[in-house]
Amino acid sequence: DAGVIQSPRHEVTEMGQEVTLRCKPISGHNSLFWYRQTMMRGLELLIYFNNNVPIDDSGMPEDRFSAKMPNASFSTLKIQPSEPRDSAVYFCASSSGDYTGELFFGEGSRLTVL
Amino acid sequence: DAKTTQPTSMDCAEGRAANLPCNHSTISGNEYVYWYRQIHSQGPQYIIHGLKNNETNEMASLIITEDRKSSTLILPHATLRDTAVYYCIVRDSGGSNYKLTFGKGTLLTVNP
Repeated sequence: DAGVIQSPRHEVTEMGQEVTLRCKPISGHNSLFWYRQTMMRGLELLIYFNNNVPIDDSGMPEDRFSAKMPNASFSTLKIQPSEPRDSAVYFCASSSGDYTGELFFGEGSRLTVL
Repeated sequence: DAKTTQPTSMDCAEGRAANLPCNHSTISGNEYVYWYRQIHSQGPQYIIHGLKNNETNEMASLIITEDRKSSTLILPHATLRDTAVYYCIVRDSGGSNYKLTFGKGTLLTVNP
C-alpha cells in the first residue's frame, strides 16, 4: 500500500485566496483525521471522520475552514478565504479502527499564505 | 484524557540505548499509553502502545510502572535515523478513543 497520500505537498498562496488540500487514506481504513501543525501550537486535531461521516469538528478554527469526505477514498480540507495565520503543515491520517488505535499519517501539506 | 509530561530534549550516543521517560500521574484505568515519533518534515509515526504490561516490538520496548503513573520508551540500539521528536500520549479506550492529543514531546538527538 502507498500509505496516506496528500496533495499538494507545498502550497504558497496570497491572503484571500481559496486553498484546497486533498487526502487519500489507506484503502480499507474507515477513520480519517485532519491535523494542523505549527511551531506555536504543535499538532492539533481539526476534524475526524468515521465511515465518511464527520464525527467531531470541534477543532476546526472557524467558518473559513471546511472539510468533506465524499467517499471512503478521498477527503478535502478547504480554507476560504485564507489568511497568513493559516500557514502551517496540514496532516491527514487514517486508521482501520482496530484495537491498536494506530494512526497512519501522510507526509503533510505545507501551506504558506502571504 | 490524562496529560503527560516529558523532558523537552535528550541526547543519546549512536549504538547505545535511548530511554525516554514519560509521566502520566493522572492516568485512569481504561487509558492506554501510546508513543509516536516525528522525524523532521515527516508525519508522525506510531511506535508502540500498552495498557499495563510491558510491550516490545521491532522498533522499541515500552516499560510501564506498576502504578501506571509513568512509562519509559526504550530504543535498544539508537541510530542517527532515530533522531526525532517522541510523543507520549495517553488515550481513552472508550467513546472518545479516536482522539490522539499530542503534547510537545521530547526531541531525541542521536549523536555519532
